[in-house]
Amino acid sequence: DIQMTQSPSSLSASVGDRVTITCQASQDISNYLNWYQQKPGKAPKLLIYDASNLETGVPSRFSGSGSGTDFTFTISSLQPEDIATYYCQQYDNLPTFGPGTKVDIK
Amino acid sequence: EVQLVESGGGLVQPGGSLRLSCAASGFTFSSYSMNWVRQAPGKGLEWVSYISSSSSTIYYADSVKGRFTISRDNAKNSLYLQMNSLRDEDTAVYYCARRQQWLDWVFDYWGQGTLVTVSS
Repeated sequence: DIQMTQSPSSLSASVGDRVTITCQASQDISNYLNWYQQKPGKAPKLLIYDASNLETGVPSRFSGSGSGTDFTFTISSLQPEDIATYYCQQYDNLPTFGPGTKVDIK
Repeated sequence: EVQLVESGGGLVQPGGSLRLSCAASGFTFSSYSMNWVRQAPGKGLEWVSYISSSSSTIYYADSVKGRFTISRDNAKNSLYLQMNSLRDEDTAVYYCARRQQWLDWVFDYWGQGTLVTVSS
């Protein structure tokens, strides 16, 4: 099974800050990597697919990059409504999710 | 508007059974593959099962293989998950999730989830 790790597990940042989350796969997954946002008590929401493609309707402050085993998710200017847990998900084989990164406001 | 509404969750004893349903609307259900994804309380997401649009291809996570059965009724726009031999570790919110039509394993819409609690 492909294992996914994320760092950090949590972070606090100020409104307007640039926030970066990393996701690492245990083996090469090409660009088969998605990012989801989950707000407390809500279902996950797709933000980025195929490592770097922004889902329709998602604000452009969200972006993703990477390929192979190392991936990055960025919020260019953190907004109060971005408070959530963010998960990466690989699909080189059957899908697995990373453990999540909880983002809150400092 | 795409809507996925899960139902059927509840409290069940270890070793018991439960059947979850997911009612779909706002899109052509028969054209999309569907999934179940679960989330234990305070934990991360775990993919559980997949069914293709025609039910011809089905996958399960190792953790539920042999105990859970996914199915669908395209005439009723509904997805199901039959859960047998339930264990404490199956306690979770269960989400149904639509797979994006042209991209493998991209979950573009999710339901609000239904809570399954396995406890004596």
